[in-house]
Amino acid sequence: DTGVSQNPRHKITKRGQNVTFRCDPISEHNRLYWYRQTLGQGPEFLTYFQNEAQLEKSRLLSDRFSAERPKGSFSTLEIQRTEQGDSAMYLCASSLGTAIYGYTFGSGTRLTVV
Amino acid sequence: GQQLNQSPQSMFIQEGEDVSMNCTSSSIFNTWLWYKQDPGEGPVLLIALYKAGELTSNGRLTAQFGITRKDSFLNISASIPSDVGIYFCAGREETSGSRLTFGEGTQLTVNP
Repeated sequence: DTGVSQNPRHKITKRGQNVTFRCDPISEHNRLYWYRQTLGQGPEFLTYFQNEAQLEKSRLLSDRFSAERPKGSFSTLEIQRTEQGDSAMYLCASSLGTAIYGYTFGSGTRLTVV
Repeated sequence: GQQLNQSPQSMFIQEGEDVSMNCTSSSIFNTWLWYKQDPGEGPVLLIALYKAGELTSNGRLTAQFGITRKDSFLNISASIPSDVGIYFCAGREETSGSRLTFGEGTQLTVNP
């Protein structure tokens, strides 16, 4: 296992289009997190899963955003009707249990909405 | 929402110099973490702190969990060019479960 894997690494889309990102966590990790990072800022929490259950969603996660983790393994983050303000790095992380020792992050998906 | 104030925003130093950066919060945290992020990559955990007053080292890096539980600092001694990157503090409140709040980062540049 080489860590948390995210695909694609880069995505350019036109405003109004839908996009979907995938995250494959470390295999034995039961918790999976999505964060968003804009230029010059730290990561901001979006949502997290314990196994297949989505336990918490940030107010940043508007109705256009949806995340799933159907079998408690990989997760997808979909953004519908993208806006230019959605341009950011979307980071996925995973942990075993409550993340008391911190998360392991993936390399992120860089989204550019034109 | 919760804000972490991280300073300085950027630092330009010569190789061999020591570096110090810090974070303060408006809330009490039960965990402080320090991450480093290279361009185009996700953050990588450097040091984790769990108790007020705790001082922990990882090679040339030393971090402390403030006594008030509202601050933390990171020191890097004898900097080298590969220390270049963005350093983030992150904290976890007692009531926030696994959710971390990140600072805005300190951009470190090391001149050889």
